[in-house]
Amino acid sequence: DTAVSQTPKYLVTQMGNDKSIKCEQNLGHDTMYWYKQDSKKFLKIMFSYNNKELIINETVPNRFSPKSPDKAHLNLHINSLELGDSAVYFCASSQDLASVGAFGYTFGSGTRLTVV
Amino acid sequence: GNSVTQMEGPVTLSEEAFLTINCTYTATGYPSLFWYVQYPGEGLQLLLKATKADDKGSNKGFEATYRKETTSFHLEKGSVQVSDSAVYFCALRENTGFQKLVFGTGTRLLVSP
Repeated sequence: DTAVSQTPKYLVTQMGNDKSIKCEQNLGHDTMYWYKQDSKKFLKIMFSYNNKELIINETVPNRFSPKSPDKAHLNLHINSLELGDSAVYFCASSQDLASVGAFGYTFGSGTRLTVV
Repeated sequence: GNSVTQMEGPVTLSEEAFLTINCTYTATGYPSLFWYVQYPGEGLQLLLKATKADDKGSNKGFEATYRKETTSFHLEKGSVQVSDSAVYFCALRENTGFQKLVFGTGTRLLVSP
């Protein structure tokens, strides 16, 4: 029943490791996003895909690589993890680009990544 | 560029007090405006929205009015409950480019019994 689901919910890993976070939405939305929330709760967009096409790629280290195998899934792979990558990562979706103004986003519950 | 400025928190209130969380924005034209709420350990949930000037968004006793003269979208509630304790985010939807949501820094609300 969950509209936007992320796995895992918690991820603790050592510096230098490679990890992936998965996101799936069952809303039939065309557009998906990754946001990073730092320890001060500031939210910053990282990536956005529209119909499996990458449309937003903010200033993010190239250790971060998103992949969208289909419209319902958007995964985030992180190579060579660093301490500064510790944050909560949120996946979100919207019906399409045009409807964001009317309906906003639907967010997942977040993945708390801790790099030790 | 587009930006959203929220009052710094935390805002600490007693139950049944009146709440105001200030939000002002800078944007091209008249963007849609939103308030999202994040309860502890959860994702953001849409609380209310307004899509044009003078619109009032409302939900669960919360209200916000889109004021283009002051470029503001302040969140209000007449009587807060302990269960309202959360972080509140103001956001705008850009009118140009990829029209993404741009969020403020969030304001933590703590309500005590």
